Amino acid sequence: GAGVSQSPRYKVAKRGQDVALRCDPISGHVSLFWYQQALGQGPEFLTYFQNEAQLDKSGLPSDRFFAERPEGSVSTLKIQRTQQEDSAVYLCASRVQAGERNEQFFGPGTRLTVL
Amino acid sequence: SQQGEEDPQALSIQEGENATMNCSYKTSINNLQWYRQNSGRGLVHLILIRSNEREKHSGRLRVTLDTSKKSSSLLITASRAADTASYFCATARANAGGTSYGKLTFGQGTILTVHP
Repeated sequence: GAGVSQSPRYKVAKRGQDVALRCDPISGHVSLFWYQQALGQGPEFLTYFQNEAQLDKSGLPSDRFFAERPEGSVSTLKIQRTQQEDSAVYLCASRVQAGERNEQFFGPGTRLTVL
Repeated sequence: SQQGEEDPQALSIQEGENATMNCSYKTSINNLQWYRQNSGRGLVHLILIRSNEREKHSGRLRVTLDTSKKSSSLLITASRAADTASYFCATARANAGGTSYGKLTFGQGTILTVHP
C-alpha cells in the first residue's frame, strides 16, 4: 500500500531563498511529525500535528521555520531565508492515531542542500 | 538535542554472526523503539518495547530494556548482508500523566556492516 511520500526528494537552494517541503502522510493517519536529520546524526524532532492542530513546535530551530497542515492531511514545512546550517534531510512521519501506542511510518525524506 | 547514545558507533561482522548494539538514554520514558535506516528504504520501524517490559522478541531481533540503568540493547541473530544499515534507538518520553503523544528522541546510531 501507499506509504508516506515527500517531495521534492532533493532540493538545492541558494542561501537566502525560501523553500517549501511537502509531506503526504498515510491516508487517515491522525498524527504527523517532522524531523531534521543532519549528516551522520540521528533525526531530531521539529514539530507535531494532531489532525490540523500543531500541538508541539518546540523543535523548530528558529522563526524562519514554519509548518502547517491546514486540512489535517498534507503538511508543508517552509524554511524562509535559508542558511547553510539548514542543510539536512527533512523527514516526515505519520501515525494512525494520537497516543504512543503505534509505530511511526517515515517518508523517504527531502535532502536540502543550501549553497 | 540527542538524548540517546548508541554503542558502538560502528560494528563490522561476518554473515551468520550475531550483532549487539546498545543504547543509553537520560530521562524517564514511556517506550523505546529501534529503527533501521539505509539509503534504499529510509527509516523503518523494527520493534517497540514499553517501559514496563524487560525483553521482547521479533523474528531474529531481541530487545532488552533496563529502566534502572536507562539502557537498552538490540541483538540481531544470524546476521545477513541485507542487515547492513544504520540502527537507531528512539525514546518516547513519559509526560506527567504517564502517557506521551509519541514524539521521538533519537540517538546518533550504530552503523552495522555485515560482510557476506
